[in-house]
Amino acid sequence: DVKVTQSSRYLVKRTGEKVFLECVQDMDHENMFWYRQDPGLGLRLIYFSYDVKMKEKGDIPEGYSVSREKKERFSLILESASTNQTSMYLCASNRGGLYGYTFGSGTRLTVV
Amino acid sequence: AQKVTQAQTEISVVEKEDVTLDCVYETRDTTYYLFWYKQPPSGELVFLIRRNSFDEQNEISGRYSWNFQKSTSSFNFTITASQVVDSAVYFCALGPGANNLFFGTGTRLTVIP
Repeated sequence: DVKVTQSSRYLVKRTGEKVFLECVQDMDHENMFWYRQDPGLGLRLIYFSYDVKMKEKGDIPEGYSVSREKKERFSLILESASTNQTSMYLCASNRGGLYGYTFGSGTRLTVV
Repeated sequence: AQKVTQAQTEISVVEKEDVTLDCVYETRDTTYYLFWYKQPPSGELVFLIRRNSFDEQNEISGRYSWNFQKSTSSFNFTITASQVVDSAVYFCALGPGANNLFFGTGTRLTVIP
């Protein structure tokens, strides 16, 4: 069964900590995405990557960075976590073009 | 500018009732794509359907059907004879392509047994 796996389901971090959210897909997909989901705001794109070592900013990249050293892995980094980054983070991948995304189960991050 | 509006924040229906989830979009592109995703309580979004702007044919898949109308910029989703397993948050999304999707805010559907 093809999958997108996010390393943590729940995470609690302190303000100012550097936080790594990991995402791995086993479908050999070219594209990978990081979204955050907040009540009343839907899903908002943070960053995406269409190839190894390539990245593009989405709608809300401030406070985040990403890393894609291998095709199957796409990491989201919160350089200095803040309470307004408390959210559900969703990773997704797709084959490119018109194909639908495959999503991971999400990481619910709480910054205290 | 791209925009997707799902005006229904929450809907509750009794099992076996039909329910329609509304989606209205805005775009200046002549070529675009519309999607529906389901997010069950487990959290993982599941792809349901993709439609391109040149294909206004309605689609039916089992108890699910989609009504795409360019004249009203709508892409509505109907579940016939709803079941408890249909309880989820449903998202409509718009894209110039699947590489850049704009999601609506979602509609939470609760099916009461």
